[in-house]
Amino acid sequence: NAGVTQTPKFQVLKTGQSMTLQCAQDMNHEYMSWYRQDPGMGLRLIHYSVGAGITDQGEVPNGYNVSRSTTEDFPLRLLSAAPSQTSVYFCASKGAGAIYEQYFGPGTRLTVT
Amino acid sequence: AQSVTQPDIHITVSEGASLELRCNYSYGATPYLFWYVQSPGQGLQLLLKYFSGDTLVQGIKGFEAEFKRSQSSFNLRKPSVHWSDAAEYFCAVGAREAAGNKLTFGGGTRVLVKP
Repeated sequence: NAGVTQTPKFQVLKTGQSMTLQCAQDMNHEYMSWYRQDPGMGLRLIHYSVGAGITDQGEVPNGYNVSRSTTEDFPLRLLSAAPSQTSVYFCASKGAGAIYEQYFGPGTRLTVT
Repeated sequence: AQSVTQPDIHITVSEGASLELRCNYSYGATPYLFWYVQSPGQGLQLLLKYFSGDTLVQGIKGFEAEFKRSQSSFNLRKPSVHWSDAAEYFCAVGAREAAGNKLTFGGGTRVLVKP
């Protein structure tokens, strides 16, 4: 199993550009989520999904869109990038139920100039 | 709402010395508690987790953590640190309600290991 994969690893955008961060998992996990990591703030939840066709907002959803058309994929879209979105983004997945741990992808480092 | 505080932003420890990382949480009931480690440029790896039962939890890489309900703490310890333990460590709390899927993370503690 590849686990949780993310592409790209690095990305530089100009303000106002749009892009999609890709996330895929091959563990048949129902739950997937996106976090952003900023220095001193730990990881903050952006959006999450409890299954295909179901998404919900996390702690910091503004400026980001998600969709979940399949169990495997959970892309994160930035519609109009802003410098405040410069961050490292992590995708995670887990089995249904609180008892299961989250598995994290390797991250995407995004810089918005 | 749940929250997690890691009071130490940086800790420097000599190789072979003991290590303790502090974690305090706020949650209305007994939470699920996790410690993750992030090596430079890597994703997060689970070190250990507490759900119920024995309050002293053993994890991977020789780490352990103790849940203290009275102090709302879940401190991470290692008796003898190796140079490879240099990393950032995150404490997280998960809710026990029906979905129970969301994690709230502390700000992290960066550990530097001196030779």
